[in-house]
Amino acid sequence: NAGVTQTPKFQVLKTGQSMTLQCAQDMNHEYMSWYRQDPGMGLRLIHYSVGAGITDQGEVPNGYNVSRSTTEDFPLRLLSAAPSQTSVYFCASREKDRGISGANVLTFGAGSRLTVL
Amino acid sequence: SQQGEEDPQALSIQEGENATMNCSYKTSINNLQWYRQNSGRGLVHLILIRSNEREKHSGRLRVTLDTSKKSSSLLITASRAADTASYFCATDTYNQGGKLIFGQGTELSVKP
Repeated sequence: NAGVTQTPKFQVLKTGQSMTLQCAQDMNHEYMSWYRQDPGMGLRLIHYSVGAGITDQGEVPNGYNVSRSTTEDFPLRLLSAAPSQTSVYFCASREKDRGISGANVLTFGAGSRLTVL
Repeated sequence: SQQGEEDPQALSIQEGENATMNCSYKTSINNLQWYRQNSGRGLVHLILIRSNEREKHSGRLRVTLDTSKKSSSLLITASRAADTASYFCATDTYNQGGKLIFGQGTELSVKP
């Protein structure tokens, strides 16, 4: 099993350019999410999806769009990149939320390092 | 805002010593999880403790949870150089659709 696959691993953009970070999982996980990791800030949730066709905002959604047309894929789009979006981005997935008795353990991808000049 | 606050931010010890990391959080939780991140890699789940549990063990890992103080600690016993990594706590809170909120992490360095 590949788990969670993110592409590209590295990307350099100029301010104002657009791009899409790809995320795919082969574990049939219903829940997928995007985090960004910045020094001293830990991981912050950008967007998440509880299933195909359903997405919602996390803590820091501004400047990012997502869609979930299939269970496997959850791309993150930057429509007009800004230097403040320089970060390492992680995609993570898990099984369906099982509520109070569940264990919402995330499986992470290896990360995508984005630099916006 | 961050749910989990970790202490210390950085910890340097010698091989064979024990390492203790602490995590405090703000709201009621379903469970609290600890993850490890090696340099340049993604996070890997280590251990989960539920809100009705006080202590849990897994190999050289010991996690405690004090819901009255809204805090948790991760103890790594007999540390090895290979334990060098960043460690994050993450809280799974009530009525949040299973979203995990991460702390800022503790950077552990174990010197041979």
